[in-house]
Amino acid sequence: EPEVTQTPSHQVTQMGQEVILRCVPISNHLYFYWYRQILGQKVEFLVSFYNNEISEKSEIFDDQFSVERPDGSNFTLKIRSTKLEDSAMYFCASSVGGNTEAFFGQGTRLTVV
Amino acid sequence: AQSVSQHNHHVILSEAASLELGCNYSYGGTVNLFWYVQYPGQHLQLLLKYFSGDPLVKGIKGFEAEFIKSKFSFNLRKPSVQWSDTAEYFCAVIPRGSARQLTFGSGTQLTVLP
Repeated sequence: EPEVTQTPSHQVTQMGQEVILRCVPISNHLYFYWYRQILGQKVEFLVSFYNNEISEKSEIFDDQFSVERPDGSNFTLKIRSTKLEDSAMYFCASSVGGNTEAFFGQGTRLTVV
Repeated sequence: AQSVSQHNHHVILSEAASLELGCNYSYGGTVNLFWYVQYPGQHLQLLLKYFSGDPLVKGIKGFEAEFIKSKFSFNLRKPSVQWSDTAEYFCAVIPRGSARQLTFGSGTQLTVLP
């Protein structure tokens, strides 16, 4: 069964450093997403991406964040200068359509120290 | 903007007990509705979804949910839970007909005692 894969599974970084979280969405999906879940809190939307551009983003997704689809298979989330409060589980997801079910990856646990 | 409420934060049941987890949403238009499950250490998995048609939908692992439009609710049910159902359950909605993001509820942690 096709699945969304994310790497790495756990990333520890120092405050102020840049991190890139990587995702390989399901191959025939057209919509890609990043969500995050701070420990003990709800899953929050960060950004959606379609047709090689951001289609929607939340207030969380400020100038420190960026997304890219550098080739036909990868979808990355970059945090330019990490803060302690960026520590969370980051989930990548993809879907066939814009409002169909999203399939989630296993997540990358980001720890900023 | 839409919002989702899950009123039960933690539910503890014994095996074979019946389960009902509440989910209410607020949104002025039509939505697609989902229940996701997150087993310990694993990713979010789709349990079931409702787009249209029969408001009683059946999902995997014996779960079902009923969409009651007048109550803006989409409660999850299972007649007899198993220890392996221990997980966190998330209700989510997305406005129909637009490429919008899922809005999740805060989740309900279900613990099933053997």
